[in-house]
Amino acid sequence: NAGVMQNPRHLVRRRGQEARLRCSPMKGHSHVYWYRQLPEEGLKFMVYLQKENIIDESGMPKERFSAEFPKEGPSILRIQQVVRGDSAAYFCASSPFGANVLTFGAGSRLTVL
Amino acid sequence: KNEVEQSPQNLTAQEGEFITINCSYSVGISALHWLQQHPGGGIVSLFMLSSGKKKHGRLIATINIQEKHSSLHITASHPRDSAVYICAVLLIQGAQKLVFGQGTRLTINP
Repeated sequence: NAGVMQNPRHLVRRRGQEARLRCSPMKGHSHVYWYRQLPEEGLKFMVYLQKENIIDESGMPKERFSAEFPKEGPSILRIQQVVRGDSAAYFCASSPFGANVLTFGAGSRLTVL
Repeated sequence: KNEVEQSPQNLTAQEGEFITINCSYSVGISALHWLQQHPGGGIVSLFMLSSGKKKHGRLIATINIQEKHSSLHITASHPRDSAVYICAVLLIQGAQKLVFGQGTRLTINP
């Protein structure tokens, strides 16, 4: 029973490019959460999704960031026109029924040159 | 002021010492998580608490809802316990949003 799988683990992009980060939740988990950890800062909630629905995106920057969790396939966090300030570790967590029980992925580290 | 405050920010101790990390919060919560983040960055959920006390091996977590305070204790600490320990609260309003403390960086020297 694989845990939460995130890929890529490391991603390097130049300013203006797009970054796509993928998260496959644990089997049987239909709740997905994305968090961002900026260098030398704490974790911050970004978005909470269930299959085909964005439930809470109050932590997402208003522009350039989007997330989806389609009926089939992984959840995707998409960052368009990346800037240096987007360099961070992005963690995904999944749950079968809510954030009382969470399993975290290993994170995806985005570096913007 | 952050909604979740941890202390100390950094803690260095000798192997075998008893460790306490504190977490105070200022909002209404439905649950509190203690997380461990190792160098290299993966995050592991250690405990989820809504009341009382939980124990797992050498780790003990307690929460006092009235005082809005939780502690994580490590008995007989070992160098492999060296990590960042993060307190996170699940808000009672807005159901699914975790608010994180800044973390406590623990170093256990042999």
